[in-house]
Amino acid sequence: RKEVEQDPGPFNVPEGATVAFNCTYSNSASQSFFWYRQDCRKEPKLLMSVYSSGNEDGRFTAQLNRASQYISLLIRDSKLSDSATYLCVVTFYNQGGKLIFGQGTELSVKP
Amino acid sequence: DAMVIQNPRYQVTQFGKPVTLSCSQTLNHNVMYWYQQKSSQAPKLLFHYYDKDFNNEADTPDNFQSRRPNTSFCFLDIRSPGLGDAAMYLCATSALVVAGFQETQYFGPGTRLLVL
Repeated sequence: RKEVEQDPGPFNVPEGATVAFNCTYSNSASQSFFWYRQDCRKEPKLLMSVYSSGNEDGRFTAQLNRASQYISLLIRDSKLSDSATYLCVVTFYNQGGKLIFGQGTELSVKP
Repeated sequence: DAMVIQNPRYQVTQFGKPVTLSCSQTLNHNVMYWYQQKSSQAPKLLFHYYDKDFNNEADTPDNFQSRRPNTSFCFLDIRSPGLGDAAMYLCATSALVVAGFQETQYFGPGTRLLVL
């Protein structure tokens, strides 16, 4: 079983839709949580960190449930420019803090 | 301004011909990483440097080596590239990692390697 798992998608949604991505992790020694965005043939870029209390950045909301070992990303009012792959990333105390990536969820926003 | 620079952006090599990819950073970060990313897969960590301390991942093939001559530069050497080594190679940096806490990693644009 992979340490960080995501639904690979693709998610095909119309502009203006709300879309939610889920991510689960299997190591209880979790430490930090992130969502990265990766455009086609480009490098991953940090979208947002995920805090225990949940956090919001404009149209993006991240939630963390440590008990269920579950992270989510909600995108409201999706734009064409949101089309990308969204990577769930977790670090674990017992792995020296290195980033463990999920396989990514592909989002395609259509006009 | 670019903070993590990778050269070349595209590299074509022949099967078995050694190739070197380079990465430089202007962030003065202590930690530098090399990842391999194949199509539709997550980035896979090959190794990282914490200052001059080299940390190899257990499943990184011996074919992959790295050098970090100074804080700013790090190189990935593929001694005998095989067809399966065709991938995007990403360099990343982060500030000092304290007690395992992972500072934000900044990725370079990547080098796309094609092996003929």
